[in-house]
Amino acid sequence: DSGVTQTPKHLITATGQRVTLRCSPRSGDLSVYWYQQSLDQGLQFLIQYYNGEERAKGNILERFSAQQFPDLHSELNLSSLELGDSALYFCASSVTASSYEQYFGPGTRLTVT
Amino acid sequence: GENVEQHPSTLSVQEGDSAVIKCTYSDSASNYFPWYKQELGKRPQLIIDIRSNVGEKKDQRIAVTLNKTAKHFSLHITETQPEDSAVYFCAASIRSGNEKLTFGTGTRLTIIP
Repeated sequence: DSGVTQTPKHLITATGQRVTLRCSPRSGDLSVYWYQQSLDQGLQFLIQYYNGEERAKGNILERFSAQQFPDLHSELNLSSLELGDSALYFCASSVTASSYEQYFGPGTRLTVT
Repeated sequence: GENVEQHPSTLSVQEGDSAVIKCTYSDSASNYFPWYKQELGKRPQLIIDIRSNVGEKKDQRIAVTLNKTAKHFSLHITETQPEDSAVYFCAASIRSGNEKLTFGTGTRLTIIP
């Protein structure tokens, strides 16, 4: 157990809908990263937050957004869902924005039907 | 941006033999190279990492080597056991204030009893 928690574990929804994924970092970690893992794309970096502020953006679609709250938990919002958004979504945390080690949560499996 | 290539995509070895997985990266500024192990349906777990000021690092049956000149790094697993069966991902990042990981495409390692 890495200490990073994610909810929900599974999510099934229809195309066009909006969902919110939640992540709580390890105690003491200030930085949160979101990754998408799909069968044909591997693990792709989406976005990073550090102490409430956006720090880096990767291949995140405009339909997706994220934020980190004062208690350091983070939420990833996915809207206007398409079939291709079906994937495992992982968050990871690290102590600071320049800490090397990232520890992953158990992931949320999103299925869009 | 950074590009990480990983080979082979699948690898089968007899129990007790050694396994080697190789990765190359494109950005010479990359200075941190972790390896993650992912079992089916579970989170990626950090198993070993190496920084650019070190050429080799070992942890029990696992070792990682780094050749900065050639821009490649490798994972070596000796005396393989059935529980080593999993997908292994290499990654690279640059310490620049944000440490997004760029992942390789993964190697599915199967240990044959």
